Amino acid sequence: AQSVTQPDIHITVSEGASLELRCNYSYGATPYLFWYVQSPGQGLQLLLKYFSGDTLVQGIKGFEAEFKRSQSSFNLRKPSVHWSDAAEYFCAVILVNSGGSNYKLTFGKGTLLTVNP
Amino acid sequence: DGGITQSPKYLFRKEGQNVTLSCEQNLNHDAMYWYRQDPGQGLRLIYYSQIVNDFQKGDIAEGYSVSREKKESFPLTVTSAQKNPTAFYLCASNPTQGYTEAFFGQGTRLTVV
Repeated sequence: AQSVTQPDIHITVSEGASLELRCNYSYGATPYLFWYVQSPGQGLQLLLKYFSGDTLVQGIKGFEAEFKRSQSSFNLRKPSVHWSDAAEYFCAVILVNSGGSNYKLTFGKGTLLTVNP
Repeated sequence: DGGITQSPKYLFRKEGQNVTLSCEQNLNHDAMYWYRQDPGQGLRLIYYSQIVNDFQKGDIAEGYSVSREKKESFPLTVTSAQKNPTAFYLCASNPTQGYTEAFFGQGTRLTVV
């Protein structure tokens, strides 16, 4: 079955430490890949996206992610975490059908990030 | 400003009543989605629509209904058949063509008492 997996439910890091959030997907072809962030009680904000080309993509707020086809992964990284980064992070994919249409945006279960001072 | 508007932000209903959540977008997107969010469950797809007058069930459609009579609007009805309706509901939209992400509304928190 097609799926998106975020293995870490909750991660705690100290402010200033580096961060890596994991995401694995299971699809027959390369999907469009996204990372979103959500503050409590709010909608989702896009951090970055990957469609094709350079496998290392830069996003907002100093985040980056690397697409690794061999590992079916799209891990999110940040070199130095700020207290304001505490939030829930979601990896997502959009399938593209043979006709080139996007459909069925699917999310992982999310990783809650806590930042210690 | 272009965007997605969900209303109301908070909604309270008595058990056994149907309730309709509004989602409107002025982004000219063809595709729209409804998700349910519960703690630890991520976002689960309820229904999605890629074109007016057509929609498909997602992973947890039971107890919900939708309509797509206009491109801009994709209302979700939570029926009395939905056993655990209390949740945070998110609406999203995106074009069906091209390289672009989905845009989200701010959500509606439904509490059934």
